[in-house]
Amino acid sequence: SYVLTQPPSVSVAPGKTARITCGGDNIGGKSVHWYQQRPGQAPVVVIYFDSDRPSGIPERFSGSNSGNTATLTISRVEAGDEADYYCQVWDSSSDHQVFGGGTKLTVL
Amino acid sequence: QVQLVQTGAEVKKPGASVKVSCKASGYTLTGYYMHWVRQAPGQGLEWMGRINPNSGGTNYAQKFQGRVTMTRDTSISTVYMDLSRVRSDDTATYYCARGDSVLVLAADNSFDPWGQGTLVAVSS
Repeated sequence: SYVLTQPPSVSVAPGKTARITCGGDNIGGKSVHWYQQRPGQAPVVVIYFDSDRPSGIPERFSGSNSGNTATLTISRVEAGDEADYYCQVWDSSSDHQVFGGGTKLTVL
Repeated sequence: QVQLVQTGAEVKKPGASVKVSCKASGYTLTGYYMHWVRQAPGQGLEWMGRINPNSGGTNYAQKFQGRVTMTRDTSISTVYMDLSRVRSDDTATYYCARGDSVLVLAADNSFDPWGQGTLVAVSS
């Protein structure tokens, strides 16, 4: 089965740039979606189809996907960005959805 | 606006079954796949499967085959997730989430929106 690998944690100072990676075999050939989950809340999509941003999501959130790594980039990080972030893809070979293990973003 | 509202928390004994409902509003239920995702306490997201509310067709994750059943009642715009023979490690928050249009060939769209989640606690 297809596996997505995320770092368990990323720490960043306010105002700096956070980069959260999602690794998978030839993930560049798949569409990657990113979700933000704050404590006690349901996940919310922040990036879809690699780099598209839903309305209401700040421009500080961006995404890229190439080769074996997809990346969620959060610029000018704010305290309110502190949350868990998950990447997700559809594995066409199994017709199953796959989530990464999640990354806890800590704003120092 | 598009909204998914789930039933309240459940407490079950090991070996029992639990049925969680997810009522859709703001769009036509039969137009979009509905997925179920669970999250154990302090853990990550785990995809359980999906249902095509138009046809009733389902696709379950291997891990849950034989224990999970997803159904729908289009007359009340509601989908259901039934998990049988529950164990303590089934204690989790269960989410429904809307996926792709049922008309597309590839199921690679994001999940949006999500229900608020239903906590299922399994304890003797």
